[in-house]
Amino acid sequence: DTGVSQDPRHKITKRGQNVTFRCDPISEHNRLYWYRQTLGQGPEFLTYFQNEAQLEKSRLLSDRFSAERPKGSFSTLEIQRTEQGDSAMYLCASSSSGTGGRTKNIQYFGAGTRLSVL
Amino acid sequence: GQSLEQPSEVTAVEGAIVQINCTYQTSGFYGLSWYQQHDGGAPTFLSYNALDGLEETGRFSSFLSRSDSYGYLLLQELQMKDSASYFCAVSAGTASKLTFGTGTRLQVTL
Repeated sequence: DTGVSQDPRHKITKRGQNVTFRCDPISEHNRLYWYRQTLGQGPEFLTYFQNEAQLEKSRLLSDRFSAERPKGSFSTLEIQRTEQGDSAMYLCASSSSGTGGRTKNIQYFGAGTRLSVL
Repeated sequence: GQSLEQPSEVTAVEGAIVQINCTYQTSGFYGLSWYQQHDGGAPTFLSYNALDGLEETGRFSSFLSRSDSYGYLLLQELQMKDSASYFCAVSAGTASKLTFGTGTRLQVTL
């Protein structure tokens, strides 16, 4: 178990540029989530995949945000035309729906990508 | 919608016991989770309650009362390394996404 990996760890970009983040979940996990966290707040849900299907998107996710999980393994989150308000930590988490019961809702988080938009 | 309330800060002495409360409002409640997050680090799962009662995992225990929409995290034998932010989070409806509280910053002192 190598844990959830996110790349890059830090990204500095200028307003208006596009950025893309990658998440590699725990290999046997079929569920993948993206969250956004700002300073002093808890993570906020952005979107959720089960295998390659994107099953839920938050109203927080504007048209500038898009996420993919093409083969049901790694996922990418792209932000187009970045704005200063997009500056935050972007967290990825994964879990397994296969076992049910007590383990069903344990989400394992990556260390996140910290985005700074100048 | 969903909302959670927890204290913003708690201070306790090394070796002591501390309780962090969480009240929530949600429909279709499925379970309450607790996560720990050190500054600059990833949220780390601590405990999960789907049913009423106490779950114990080492020095950490979590309690849930579904009828009161209330839960707490109990940390015993506090250590300096326990200084971190602690988040309660509810899963509801499809039991997939988590809705987090704003977090409780725990400071453990000598």
